[in-house]
Amino acid sequence: QQQVKQSPQSLIVQKGGISIINCAYENTAFDYFPWYQQFPGKGPALLIAIRPDVSEKKEGRFTISFNKSAKQFSLHIMDSQPGDSATYFCAASYGSSNTGKLIFGQGTTLQVKP
Amino acid sequence: EAQVTQNPRYLITVTGKKLTVTCSQNMNHEYMSWYRQDPGLGLRQIYYSMNVEVTDKGDVPEGYKVSRKEKRNFPLILESPSPNQTSLYFCASSILGGNTIYFGEGSWLTVV
Repeated sequence: QQQVKQSPQSLIVQKGGISIINCAYENTAFDYFPWYQQFPGKGPALLIAIRPDVSEKKEGRFTISFNKSAKQFSLHIMDSQPGDSATYFCAASYGSSNTGKLIFGQGTTLQVKP
Repeated sequence: EAQVTQNPRYLITVTGKKLTVTCSQNMNHEYMSWYRQDPGLGLRQIYYSMNVEVTDKGDVPEGYKVSRKEKRNFPLILESPSPNQTSLYFCASSILGGNTIYFGEGSWLTVV
């Protein structure tokens, strides 16, 4: 079963707009929620991450919003730029001794039009 | 430069012909894993290893084998590839207990 569900599958945004990608999880034991960014021909790379003890984390134009009661979290990209065009994966893991095992969402392909 | 290196990057093979995808990392990471990426399914873990000679199944291990004889290397073996193993494969590594996973650049595998 898919423990992390991501939407939308694809997203087109105009330059300067806000891109929003949503994820929902099932396992309440998850305690670490990263977002990975993947450019064509490259492997995913960690973009930003959050733990459930905070409701929001911001790094530059990228913000994670976290709703523990709803078991949902989202990535907001402010002032979206063509260079942000990539595939984005949300993920979740659990355990203080994290073994690096992440459960990934299905991915969202973002296209930012100039 | 810290990196995870996979080879080959692109491969077309025929059903049943054994193949190995190599993976090497230069970060002295204990944890290594293999993922496959398929449209609409995201990244799914195939196998992982927490240290030399310690390997375990991930979520989709059927049809694959791995070995971890050295800390830096973690090859993925397809003993008898089938068309449903056509996919984009990623090797990844991290420190044990670490949250950041470092991915290789991927290996496109087509089985005809």
